[in-house]
Amino acid sequence: DGGITQSPKYLFRKEGQNVTLSCEQNLNHDAMYWYRQDPGQGLRLIYYSQIVNDFQKGDIAEGYSVSREKKESFPLTVTSAQKNPTAFYLCASSMWGTNEKLFFGSGTQLSVL
Amino acid sequence: DAKTTQPPSMDCAEGRAANLPCNHSTISGNEYVYWYRQIHSQGPQYIIHGLKNNETNEMASLIITEDRKSSTLILPHATLRDTAVYYCIVRGNNAGNNRKLIWGLGTSLAVNP
Repeated sequence: DGGITQSPKYLFRKEGQNVTLSCEQNLNHDAMYWYRQDPGQGLRLIYYSQIVNDFQKGDIAEGYSVSREKKESFPLTVTSAQKNPTAFYLCASSMWGTNEKLFFGSGTQLSVL
Repeated sequence: DAKTTQPPSMDCAEGRAANLPCNHSTISGNEYVYWYRQIHSQGPQYIIHGLKNNETNEMASLIITEDRKSSTLILPHATLRDTAVYYCIVRGNNAGNNRKLIWGLGTSLAVNP
């Protein structure tokens, strides 16, 4: 079945540690996105990538990094510079065109120990 | 992209129609209305979108007023599995506009037995 897979479902980070969240899609989508969701707030865009080897900052990129070495994969690293990393992280993909709908993964809940 | 206004919560009896309103009074001529829903601890799921004509698919119907300043998502026979947060989003039809989406808090729909 085609879809978008995030792993792990739950992740814990220690102080000063970098952690990487995985996102893989087999929908042959051009674009991939990372969002952060906090209680009482809407989804906020962290990074997005239109094509392989290219990515752009979203609204809240500080403390995060990404790579797009393959069309299928868009991992997100939460660095130690992100002082408030506890949140629900969502990966999404879409074609890059007019009126292209987003397909989301099931999310990763990141918590700080 | 324009912002939207939705009631924070609604209730619906199982088997009845759920009518979820959305105001988008600043929508411009080339912007579409999109609806997504998010079941607890999962990623959002696309439901339907439209420009000015009413739309229907296997999940729901979308009714857009003639002046396009508001719309209603209709779930004709709500089930317990329809309990979720429903997001109404306005999106321009230019390529790549998914990166500009403004996600509000949506409407939390509770379907009661």
